[in-house]
Amino acid sequence: AQSVTQLGSHVSVSEGALVLLRCNYSSSVPPYLFWYVQYPNQGLQLLLKYTTGATLVKGINGFEAEFKKSETSFHLTKPSAHMSDAAEYFCAVSATNAGKSTFGDGTTLTVKP
Amino acid sequence: KAGVTQTPRYLIKTRGQQVTLSCSPISGHRSVSWYQQTPGQGLQFLFEYFSETQRNKGNFPGRFSGRQFSNSRSEMNVSTLELGDSALYLCASSSTGTGGQETQYFGPGTRLLVL
Repeated sequence: AQSVTQLGSHVSVSEGALVLLRCNYSSSVPPYLFWYVQYPNQGLQLLLKYTTGATLVKGINGFEAEFKKSETSFHLTKPSAHMSDAAEYFCAVSATNAGKSTFGDGTTLTVKP
Repeated sequence: KAGVTQTPRYLIKTRGQQVTLSCSPISGHRSVSWYQQTPGQGLQFLFEYFSETQRNKGNFPGRFSGRQFSNSRSEMNVSTLELGDSALYLCASSSTGTGGQETQYFGPGTRLLVL
């Protein structure tokens, strides 16, 4: 069984500030972890994923995430927020089958000018 | 390479009707998954098809069904629609869906409104 908890359904930052979106997971087997972004009326777009190897994963649009097994976390960060980063972000976990991913409830990121 | 396409993009139905949604995966992808997205329940897994066979199923009633064709295109059907079925239905495809590390590519979704 697997589950994902995203802490904070809404996060607001100023343009240029650090973005930190939190994700904790639970998995009975070594997990594969994903972050997706969703813009209004669109599907999900993959930002980055952790499979094996390096625990610091770099993704698109300047985002990165660090897999911390001891903390069962996979937090998403970006050093400097841009207005175009305003969207909803989803953390997901899969184990043996990518086609049956479990998603968190999502975090809406607002970027203030 | 074309992305995942879903048709129709928007749909309005009334309670009791049935609806069929279509998904065309990325060329060469054989795994197609369906998710329901609602404000209250978030993203929930409906089912996954691979090589015309349902490989996984989520916790949805039997009113929700699907199928996959030999060209990997997939359809999902919802019979006897209820107000609570109003949602964004997302389709995702991956190469084989075997192994949790595969990336899923999502379509833009079909927004269904049940009146």
